[in-house]
Amino acid sequence: AQSVTQLGSHVSVSEGALVLLRCNYSSSVPPYLFWYVQYPNQGLQLLLKYTSAATLVKGINGFEAEFKKSETSFHLTKPSAHMSDAAEYFCAVSPNTGGFKTIFGAGTRLFVKA
Amino acid sequence: NAGVMQNPRHLVRRRGQEARLRCSPMKGHSHVYWYRQLPEEGLKFMVYLQKENIIDESGMPKERFSAEFPKEGPSILRIQQVVRGDSAAYFCASSPGQTNAGELFFGEGSRLTVL
Repeated sequence: AQSVTQLGSHVSVSEGALVLLRCNYSSSVPPYLFWYVQYPNQGLQLLLKYTSAATLVKGINGFEAEFKKSETSFHLTKPSAHMSDAAEYFCAVSPNTGGFKTIFGAGTRLFVKA
Repeated sequence: NAGVMQNPRHLVRRRGQEARLRCSPMKGHSHVYWYRQLPEEGLKFMVYLQKENIIDESGMPKERFSAEFPKEGPSILRIQQVVRGDSAAYFCASSPGQTNAGELFFGEGSRLTVL
């Protein structure tokens, strides 16, 4: 069984500040891990994914995430927030034995203050 | 390349009516997934289909909901006798197969409102 927990349904940062969105996962098999972003009234777009290669994964728009097996975490970071980063972010997990039934976290809405 | 296409983008139905949501996957993709997003909640898996086959429907409500992905044409999610609790955004995603590290490509969603 797999699950994802995102800590904090809402996160607010100032423009230029560090962005940190937390994600912890549970998986009975080695996982694939993902971060998706959703802008208002749109579908989800892939930001980055971990597929058992490098533990530090770089994605689009300056985001990156680090897979920490010992902590079962996959937190998303960006050194300097931009107004355009305001969106909802979803962490997701799927088994590396097959790409179906991806399980999503409840999401974290990021607010960026000027 | 066209992305995942969903229609209608918005659908209003009265209680007891039927809702049909359509999804055309990305070109070359043969796997389709339906997710439901309720306000302030994440995406909940509903069903996973390949052409002419339902692979996993463990997230589908037992009654009133059905899905298909025929040999020709789009995948359809059908909700019969809609109730207010069915109001949600329904997202379709596609993938080329199970060997792509699970990456999903999403449509823009169909937002169902039940009056």
